[in-house]
Amino acid sequence: DAGVIQSPRHEVTEMGQEVTLRCKPISGHDYLFWYRQTMMRGLELLIYFNNNVPIDDSGMPEDRFSAKMPNASFSTLKIQPSEPRDSAVYFCASSPLGTEGADTQYFGPGTRLTVL
Amino acid sequence: QKEVEQNSGPLSVPEGAIASLNCTYSDRGSQSFFWYRQYSGKSPELIMFIYSNGDKEDGRFTAQLNKASQYVSLLIRDSQPSDSATYLCAVTDGGYQKVTFGTGTKLQVIP
Repeated sequence: DAGVIQSPRHEVTEMGQEVTLRCKPISGHDYLFWYRQTMMRGLELLIYFNNNVPIDDSGMPEDRFSAKMPNASFSTLKIQPSEPRDSAVYFCASSPLGTEGADTQYFGPGTRLTVL
Repeated sequence: QKEVEQNSGPLSVPEGAIASLNCTYSDRGSQSFFWYRQYSGKSPELIMFIYSNGDKEDGRFTAQLNKASQYVSLLIRDSQPSDSATYLCAVTDGGYQKVTFGTGTKLQVIP
């Protein structure tokens, strides 16, 4: 199993540009989560999906952020326009359905975003 | 606003000692509790989960849960330098409700 795959691993962009982060969850996992991690705020849940449907997006910081999951094997997180304060590591995680321990989340390697 | 509190550390322990990491949470309805380990520059990885009051042991790791006190801890016995990392406490309502992470405790195991 390849695990959760994220791309790109690093992104450097200029303020005002559009940024798209991509995620491929583990096959068979029904839940997908997007997180942002900074030194100041730690790991923050932005949005999560169940069976491709957004369930809770209350963590999305503002309208500049949007996320989609067009199918079970792909999700995107878009920032438009980007700002320097968006600089962070963005993690995607997926989780299976099932019994005890099934809400364990498996994290991708993350995308380190730097907005200049 | 659900909160999960952890001492940021660093917590320094000598090799071979017991490291004790603590976490408190604000939501009494919380049902599932997790400990993740995160090495510098890497992604979090699950160490243990616990659902019921009491202790749960897995190798050198023991998770302890006290719902009445809203307290969960992680003990690492025979600490090794390879255990040096940041440990994140995570809490959910159970099932697939929103997960809240603490900001993590940095552990340093001194050879």
